[in-house]
Amino acid sequence: EDQVTQSPEALRLQEGESSSLNCSYTVSGLRGLFWYRQDPGKGPEFLFTLYSAGEEKEKERLKATLTKKESFLHITAPKPEDSATYLCAVQAVQGAQKLVFGQGTRLTINP
Amino acid sequence: ETGVTQTPRHLVMGMTNKKSLKCEQHLGHNAMYWYKQSAKKPLELMFVYNFKEQTENNSVPSRFSPECPNSSHLFLHLHTLQPEDSALYLCASSQGAGGGQETQYFGPGTRLLVL
Repeated sequence: EDQVTQSPEALRLQEGESSSLNCSYTVSGLRGLFWYRQDPGKGPEFLFTLYSAGEEKEKERLKATLTKKESFLHITAPKPEDSATYLCAVQAVQGAQKLVFGQGTRLTINP
Repeated sequence: ETGVTQTPRHLVMGMTNKKSLKCEQHLGHNAMYWYKQSAKKPLELMFVYNFKEQTENNSVPSRFSPECPNSSHLFLHLHTLQPEDSALYLCASSQGAGGGQETQYFGPGTRLLVL
């Protein structure tokens, strides 16, 4: 069964304090790994898709990386507006269009 | 309107009521999805539609009845729900056909409370 585990569940940082969020996955053939950001009371907002081990993508203060077992979302010099829940999801080769989500990491950046 | 829109944004209903959730996508996509997000649980896929045809039902109880009249609109009809059905219901869309790596774009969700 395809599975996604995110850690930590919650992370509190000071503004400017860099850190990383982890997404560990088991999947029977990876078609793609997705990162989303979700603000309270809103739908997930797409950030990145990673397709193969070694791939990296960047957007402003965020950088996503992928290995054969996990993905990291690195946050460099975060600002309070980066506070949100970050969701990781995988799509399996056999799973057609199904996304399997982790429980998310709730990130809080204090000014 | 842009992206994926959902109405209503909030809904309170009794267990004997019948209500419907509406989703519309303005992205020219051909696939649409319903997800359920409960507190402390990951997003769960409920239904998938491709080119108006249902291609996946993730063992969803029959009190949830989806309808997809065209590639831009998706409904979720609700009847005789239980309190444990209270959740955020999210609609998403993607290019469609599932042949490649498709990114799903989500709407803002409908927050449902069943009393």
